[in-house]
Amino acid sequence: DIVMTQSPDSLAVSLGERATINCKSSQSVLYSSNNKNYLAWYQQKPGQPPKLLIYWASTRESGVPDRFSGSGSGTDFTLTISSLQAEDVAVYYCQQYYSTLLVTFGQGTRLEIK
Amino acid sequence: QVQLVQSGAEVKKPGASVKVSCKASGYTFTSYGISWVRQAPGQGLEWMGWISAYNGNTNYAQKLQGRVTMTTDTSTSTAYMELRSLRSDDTAVYYCARDSVGGHHDAFDIWGQGTMVTVSS
Repeated sequence: DIVMTQSPDSLAVSLGERATINCKSSQSVLYSSNNKNYLAWYQQKPGQPPKLLIYWASTRESGVPDRFSGSGSGTDFTLTISSLQAEDVAVYYCQQYYSTLLVTFGQGTRLEIK
Repeated sequence: QVQLVQSGAEVKKPGASVKVSCKASGYTFTSYGISWVRQAPGQGLEWMGWISAYNGNTNYAQKLQGRVTMTTDTSTSTAYMELRSLRSDDTAVYYCARDSVGGHHDAFDIWGQGTMVTVSS
């Protein structure tokens, strides 16, 4: 199984400041035949389903504000919120969808306002 | 618009079964698959398995093998997830999400609203 480990578990950032969440996979999620990283980021607010923010590690889903960006390749990935807004308070999950046998998520990172 | 609408909350006794439905609209159902994800209270996301709406192929998480069955009804664009021999630790919100039709998975771009399943004696 590919284990996804996020850091930190929780994060408090001031409004307008940058927030950075890291995600590490236990093995590479880069598929060599198409050079794509099978890594996605989701945002989940209380009482709501997860919302897709980023796929292929760095492609922003339609409608997602451009303050959200994803980077990284292989086993190490980062979600960055460039200027934190109040509505960004949520739990963020990374997900690998490389494995056809078992899709796995990170444990989640809780983002709050400082 | 593209959406997945799930059935309502369920309360079951230990040892019983539950069947959750997920009705798709706004897209060609058979061009995609459906993954099921659950979330225990206050916990993270756990992938349960996937079904292709094109040919019914399935892939279940090993820990649920033998207890879970995923099916589709293409005439109504509805996916189903049945979980048997329920235990208290199956208490969770169950989500369906749009996935790839086959091969590698896709990122889950559309999610249902979730179905709360409570297992309690």
